[in-house]
Amino acid sequence: GAGVSQTPSNKVTEKGKYVELRCDPISGHTALYWYRQSLGQGPEFLIYFQGTGAADDSGLPNDRFFAVRPEGSVSTLKIQRTERGDSAMYLCASSARAGALYNEQFFGPGTRLTVL
Amino acid sequence: RKEVEQDPGPFNVPEGATVAFNCTYSNSASQSFFWYRQDCRKEPKLLMSVYSSGNEDGRFTAQLNRASQYISLLIRDSKLSDSATYLCVVNNAGGTSYGKLTFGQGTILTVHP
Repeated sequence: GAGVSQTPSNKVTEKGKYVELRCDPISGHTALYWYRQSLGQGPEFLIYFQGTGAADDSGLPNDRFFAVRPEGSVSTLKIQRTERGDSAMYLCASSARAGALYNEQFFGPGTRLTVL
Repeated sequence: RKEVEQDPGPFNVPEGATVAFNCTYSNSASQSFFWYRQDCRKEPKLLMSVYSSGNEDGRFTAQLNRASQYISLLIRDSKLSDSATYLCVVNNAGGTSYGKLTFGQGTILTVHP
């Protein structure tokens, strides 16, 4: 079946602009996660959703970052007033549910964001 | 101190070699543990979960030592296709929710002919 998909695959924007990154999880997966990965580092947690609600947004770096999942499926990560330091690979993952200890998270191919 | 620490390597080994990666985590309340593999310019994929009793999957063996807060991955009979970055991952590292995976920096492995 189809895996997690993310669009766009690449996004180049100018400092100060607004961007939206989209994630389509695996069908039927109730939990959805956003991570950010900088070069040479492991992914860094941003936020996760169980259904439509954000169960944990402790990783969002500041109030310029916001994510929604209005119908419990597709999610959009929104970044306002982008800064050069926001440049990174943004990864989305989904899992069948969030409550189990050994839940496999399936990652999408990511959106590479470059802020000039 | 980082929540999950790994030796970044790189490790360069010949085909057929045995290689071991180590990882330490700082939160004693962490409850589940994984190794993910990430190929160059690709997304991370689950390699194996790590259970308290230790577990093996073919050429791969994972061990967990809760007392020392230490996780290891052993790869036997290395193949060229094992070349990748290996990410040590802890769940519930912050003690706040089960959804949050905390990743180490990753260890780069290159297997050469």
